[in-house]
Amino acid sequence: DSGVTQTPKHLITATGQRVTLRCSPRSGDLSVYWYQQSLDQGLQFLIQYYNGEERAKGNILERFSAQQFPDLHSELNLSSLELGDSALYFCASSPRGGLDYGYTFGSGTRLTVV
Amino acid sequence: GENVEQHPSTLSVQEGDSAVIKCTYSDSASNYFPWYKQELGKGPQLIIDIRSNVGEKKDQRIAVTLNKTAKHFSLHITETQPEDSAVYFCAASHPGSARQLTFGSGTQLTVLP
Repeated sequence: DSGVTQTPKHLITATGQRVTLRCSPRSGDLSVYWYQQSLDQGLQFLIQYYNGEERAKGNILERFSAQQFPDLHSELNLSSLELGDSALYFCASSPRGGLDYGYTFGSGTRLTVV
Repeated sequence: GENVEQHPSTLSVQEGDSAVIKCTYSDSASNYFPWYKQELGKGPQLIIDIRSNVGEKKDQRIAVTLNKTAKHFSLHITETQPEDSAVYFCAASHPGSARQLTFGSGTQLTVLP
């Protein structure tokens, strides 16, 4: 157990729907990162939050949004889902947002859009 | 932005042999280079990392080397074991990027018994 908790582990939904993925960072970690992993794109950075505030944005679609709550857990919201959104979504956390620390990844949420 | 290339994409070795995975990065300002191991059904796990002020780092059977001039770094696994079979990712981090990591495309390592 890495200490980063992601729920749900699996999610199957239809095109056009909206889903929410949840992440609880490792105890004491202030920074949360979301990554998308698909077969042809590898690990793609989506967005980072640090202590409740958005810190950096990567290749995140406008249909996707995220937030980090006061208790530091984070949610990734995916709307108007398309078949191409099927992927593994990983959350990672680190102690701080601006230092040279490696991430600790959760076990991911596998999203299947049908 | 940063671009990280990784090769080979697949690598098969006999148990006990060594495995080497290589990565190149594009941004000379990148200064932190971790390696992750991802087993089937799990998230990537940090196995070793190196910072730009160090040329080599070793942890038991795993070592990483960094050549800043050539902008490439490599993972070396010696005395490979079947449990080393996994996908390995290299990554690079730029000081101005809020510590987001740019990942290579991954190497599927298979250790044959």
